[in-house]
Amino acid sequence: GIQVEQSPPDLILQEGANSTLRCNFSDSVNNLQWFHQNPWGQLINLFYIPSGTKQNGRLSATTVATERYSLLYISSSQTTDSGVYFCAVGGKLIFGQGTELSVKP
Amino acid sequence: DAGVIQSPRHEVTEMGQEVTLRCKPISGHNSLFWYRQTMMRGLELLIYFNNNVPIDDSGMPEDRFSAKMPNASFSTLKIQPSEPRDSAVYFCASSLGDELYGYTFGSGTRLTVV
Repeated sequence: GIQVEQSPPDLILQEGANSTLRCNFSDSVNNLQWFHQNPWGQLINLFYIPSGTKQNGRLSATTVATERYSLLYISSSQTTDSGVYFCAVGGKLIFGQGTELSVKP
Repeated sequence: DAGVIQSPRHEVTEMGQEVTLRCKPISGHNSLFWYRQTMMRGLELLIYFNNNVPIDDSGMPEDRFSAKMPNASFSTLKIQPSEPRDSAVYFCASSLGDELYGYTFGSGTRLTVV
């Protein structure tokens, strides 16, 4: 089956800093999504991005399907950005292990 | 739109008891998914339905688990009998289908089996 690897596993930032999260996947896919799981456990869909680049406020994502990776950019981080960021791929949504982000005030 | 609605939010039950988790997908979505999240295994797909028909149940851990989708607006995940190792957060998600759309997750049911 498809393997999904995310890096880094943990990230601590000072408020206002920028960060890049990476997702590598082992096979071509028609579906790639980024999710944020907040400290209350809710899974929020950030981007549906099987290819190309999208932006939503301070967040943007780029997927290079031919090279099997996706990047999530967080600019001017805020404490509310804390939580776990998941990449998931494929029709059955195979999840990576996530990147746990902590933004300090 | 109220989103994907799951109930109950929390469930505590004794080992051996039957547990039923419920999910109402977003109206118009034709794909429904059940996931389980644990610290050890992360988020794993248990089963998914397309147009109320189970398509892939290879993730269902064992015969104690069963899922149904009697109509487009309701699905259940049943565990009978429950065991402590079933303790986890169970998520339901829905989508317009065909891998071409984003998936929306419910708030999850936190199950504790004591």
